[in-house]
Amino acid sequence: SQQGEEDPQALSIQEGENATMNCSYKTSINNLQWYRQNSGRGLVHLILIRSNEREKHSGRLRVTLDTSKKSSSLLITASRAADTASYFCATAFTGGFKTIFGAGTRLFVKA
Amino acid sequence: DTEVTQTPKHLVMGMTNKKSLKCEQHMGHRAMYWYKQKAKKPPELMFVYSYEKLSINESVPSRFSPECPNSSLLNLHLHALQPEDSALYLCASSQAPLLHGSSGGGELFFGEGSRLTVL
Repeated sequence: SQQGEEDPQALSIQEGENATMNCSYKTSINNLQWYRQNSGRGLVHLILIRSNEREKHSGRLRVTLDTSKKSSSLLITASRAADTASYFCATAFTGGFKTIFGAGTRLFVKA
Repeated sequence: DTEVTQTPKHLVMGMTNKKSLKCEQHMGHRAMYWYKQKAKKPPELMFVYSYEKLSINESVPSRFSPECPNSSLLNLHLHALQPEDSALYLCASSQAPLLHGSSGGGELFFGEGSRLTVL
């Protein structure tokens, strides 16, 4: 079974708007990562946040982590049509080998 | 550009065929992974190799047989597959978690995948 659940499952916004995706997980983690996947292609790593961090930024991306609620959010600011893709959170556990992906959010940015 | 190369990009095979998927990376990573992804679903972990040894097998049927001949190569041998095995097979690599200490798994670098169709 998958560790993470994401919402919304799908999100459609206008270019220039912000997009927020949420991820919840069930067990203790060492870190949480966000990946992006364009249709039918490989996944690209976006950002990693460790369990002792609460917020992290990378360019237009902002990730938060609340370990007490076992949840994370990814904010993409000033979205562009090129941001259209599926976004997955992934959790890694102690020992580090097992990285499990959430169900994903499909983001569509209209130009 | 991805630094993990997967071949072939597309593969069509019958249920009695034997075929292999190949993955190669030259980033010096000592952990390599196979994931399976069905349409509109997240990747599902199948196997993990660490330092060329099988570390995780997520109860994958024996018709899938992984092999790690050296630190740069990862194969997935396919035999007697079923139509429901049709999917995108993704290879990934990462620095071995032991190098991260308590930080757990690090960034995964994915290939573009091999699209498998079983007839």
